[in-house]
Amino acid sequence: GDSVTQMEGPVTLSEEAFLTINCTYTATGYPSLFWYVQYPGEGLQLLLKATKADDKGSNKGFEATYRKETTSFHLEKGSVQVSDSAVYFCAFWMDSSYKLIFGSGTRLLVRP
Amino acid sequence: GAVVSQHPSWVICKSGTSVKIECRSLDFQATTMFWYRQFPKQSLMLMATSNEGSKATYEQGVEKDKFLINHASLTLSTLTVTSAHPEDSSFYICSASKVDEQFFGPGTRLTVL
Repeated sequence: GDSVTQMEGPVTLSEEAFLTINCTYTATGYPSLFWYVQYPGEGLQLLLKATKADDKGSNKGFEATYRKETTSFHLEKGSVQVSDSAVYFCAFWMDSSYKLIFGSGTRLLVRP
Repeated sequence: GAVVSQHPSWVICKSGTSVKIECRSLDFQATTMFWYRQFPKQSLMLMATSNEGSKATYEQGVEKDKFLINHASLTLSTLTVTSAHPEDSSFYICSASKVDEQFFGPGTRLTVL
């Protein structure tokens, strides 16, 4: 069935380190792909998205590229900040099922 | 902007009582709202899709008589947990659709004693 697999956390990095959070999906058809971020005590916010193959979504220094051949949408940031500490969720949307399918979330902790 | 609010942000209730959670889209109209449940350190699980003026569509395994959803207007959907039990304790999150994007509320933490 449709699903999202993302790397387990927590991921602990020092400030200014490079970040990669892996995400792969299983879906029929060509879904739209998303990364959401949940800061402590807050709701989910859309971080970035990509709607077709080879699209690159970017926001706040984060990037992810829609790779159809590997069914992946890995999240990257070149230099993380303490304020990036949050839980990151990979998700996809299928028009056919009209719902978002979420990964399990990856907690990121950035230390000064 | 697109802001979604939830009320209350947290609630503690006794076992057997019912609890109502409100989800409002503050600055846009949402034909469709979604209700999710999030267990600690786990992902969001879709419970139901709520369409204004019609019955909600529940995901498999979600008891519609226990989790009553009403979407009476384009800006308000409510989730009522009836006869709550400790196993219903969780973080409930709603979202509202605007064009091709979902906007999430801050969530409601329910604790059933």
